[in-house]
Amino acid sequence: DAGITQSPRYKITETGRQVTLMCHQTWSHSYMFWYRQDLGHGLRLIYYSAAADITDKGEVPDGYVVSRSKTENFPLTLESATRSQTSVYFCASSFTGTGEGNSPLHFGNGTRLTVT
Amino acid sequence: QQQVKQSPQSLIVQKGGIPIINCAYENTAFDYFPWYQQFPGKGPALLIAIRPDVSEKKEGRFTISFNKSAKQFSLHIMDSQPGDSATYFCAASWRSGGGADGLTFGKGTHLIIQP
Repeated sequence: DAGITQSPRYKITETGRQVTLMCHQTWSHSYMFWYRQDLGHGLRLIYYSAAADITDKGEVPDGYVVSRSKTENFPLTLESATRSQTSVYFCASSFTGTGEGNSPLHFGNGTRLTVT
Repeated sequence: QQQVKQSPQSLIVQKGGIPIINCAYENTAFDYFPWYQQFPGKGPALLIAIRPDVSEKKEGRFTISFNKSAKQFSLHIMDSQPGDSATYFCAASWRSGGGADGLTFGKGTHLIIQP
């Protein structure tokens, strides 16, 4: 089925551990994004990618690493997880960087990450 | 610095009422203003969007009102239903911004429509 899928759906990890969140889209969208959603902060952009092998920082990139070797995949890695990274993480994709025109941002259903 | 300020943070309305969610922006270069709707356990999805060359846009029961001089825009939901209960995000972007950081989200409004 076409769409954008995130895995895992839920993850519990310990402080200091490395964890990778996966994102896969089947639309061949150029742009992919990682957001985190926290109460009182809304959606904050962590990293985005305009194409394979092109990535750039968003508003809150510290502590995160991304890669994009293939157009369809955009994994997010927390190199050494901290409690402040407990959040719900959303991946999104679009043909445009801002979702304008007929290509809005399409979001996955999120990964709820808890760092203990 | 928050570029898009959204209010209220939460809102409870009776069925059939007209909830109104407001957003204000500072960057006059913004030229695209979408609203995203998010249901529990799901990612946000585009609901409706407007450009500053029009003052109002309607899609079904959802209306965006836009006031360019005041740098404000709002979402109205006519004849609200319990199924409209969700979190709503306003956003803004500008073409010359180029990349994805041109799309800035407000902090969201948690809307509950009571039966």
